[in-house]
Amino acid sequence: GENVEQHPSTLSVQEGDSAVIKCTYSDSASNYFPWYKQELGKRPQLIIDIRSNVGEKKDQRIAVTLNKTAKHFSLHITETQPEDSAVYFCAASNTDNAGNMLTFGGGTRLMVKP
Amino acid sequence: DVKVTQSSRYLVKRTGEKVFLECVQDMDHENMFWYRQDPGLGLRLIYFSYDVKMKEKGDIPEGYSVSREKKERFSLILESASTNQTSMYLCASSLWAGIPNQPQHFGDGTRLSIL
Repeated sequence: GENVEQHPSTLSVQEGDSAVIKCTYSDSASNYFPWYKQELGKRPQLIIDIRSNVGEKKDQRIAVTLNKTAKHFSLHITETQPEDSAVYFCAASNTDNAGNMLTFGGGTRLMVKP
Repeated sequence: DVKVTQSSRYLVKRTGEKVFLECVQDMDHENMFWYRQDPGLGLRLIYFSYDVKMKEKGDIPEGYSVSREKKERFSLILESASTNQTSMYLCASSLWAGIPNQPQHFGDGTRLSIL
């Protein structure tokens, strides 16, 4: 089955700096890669996703890049703000699997220092 | 807005008890999922269901079972609770309708402690 590894497990940045979180996956058939943000005590929420037919997607200060050859994808947050502090999870999915099952990475705790 | 409701935010049970965690979604989603969340391990899939009375094992089904008698409700059952099942449990749902890779919507989670 799919295995997703996520690095780093913790990341501390100064407000205004950029943050990058990287994930690698093992199943070359995976074709959907969402990112979830979980604030302390709250539910995970989808912030951005990318499908395998594109290499990059942007939404304001966040962007995701995908390298299918190397089987890795990354989340980029620019101009970080204290409200970006949260745990971020990457995930991978193969549309052929029943129920759109996601395999998650271990999570990255991002701390943005004011 | 999608609403996924889990019956309890906090639950304390004893070793050997049979424990039921309930999840209800209000968006007529076909797919429903149960995860457990542990520090450093991310979200690990226990079971999922893509239709009423249908269920599939996830990555860590041992010690758990599920029930889906109605489309909106998905129950997780710990047959005989053990201390290593102390964890945060998250329910999620997603739409199918023939369109793959629809976002999963999560509940607030149930923090379960087994004493």
